[in-house]
Amino acid sequence: AQSVSQHNHHVILSEAASLELGCNYSYGGTVNLFWYVQYPGQHLQLLLKYFSGDPLVKGIKGFEAEFIKSKFSFNLRKPSVQWSDTAEYFCAVTDRGGNKLVFGAGTILRVKS
Amino acid sequence: EPEVTQTPSHQVTQMGQEVILRCVPISNHLYFYWYRQILGQKVEFLVSFYNNEISEKSEIFDDQFSVERPDGSNFTLKIRSTKLEDSAMYFCASSWRNEQFFGPGTRLTVL
Repeated sequence: AQSVSQHNHHVILSEAASLELGCNYSYGGTVNLFWYVQYPGQHLQLLLKYFSGDPLVKGIKGFEAEFIKSKFSFNLRKPSVQWSDTAEYFCAVTDRGGNKLVFGAGTILRVKS
Repeated sequence: EPEVTQTPSHQVTQMGQEVILRCVPISNHLYFYWYRQILGQKVEFLVSFYNNEISEKSEIFDDQFSVERPDGSNFTLKIRSTKLEDSAMYFCASSWRNEQFFGPGTRLTVL
């Protein structure tokens, strides 16, 4: 069965600091990869996705992620975080044949102003 | 922009009671899903639904759970006899071209 690991459960950063959130998945086949964000009191929103092609994908709000197939990783990055990025971030994967999302445990990011 | 909607936002029920959670997926989407998140735990897949039947379900989705698309717009999750451990946030999603769009969730509290 697929599994997704997110390495940090809580991250605290100051504004303008750089962010990298780790995500590794276990499935060895072809996958679709996603990062979702949940702002306080709001629902899950898609930040970015990777299906194929350029392994460096850009999403909304200045976020990007890099798919490294050899490392089974899909880390999320942002060069300079803002207070408004305070939220919980979820990495998720589906295999190409299926349609269920398998989520990581989530990383709670708090940005101090 | 179209959104997935869910009602109610919060449901409190007594153990053993039946609950129905309602979702209105985005209108041109064809796949529908239910997920749940127990407090402090991962978001877990429950069931996917396509063409008026279940396409995949998890081990969690036992005989106490059922889904239905009673009309052209609603997608419901029924729990026949709730247990304390069913307390969770339940998310509905619908998808288009492999991208899933989530509703705001229903917080179910079983007392």
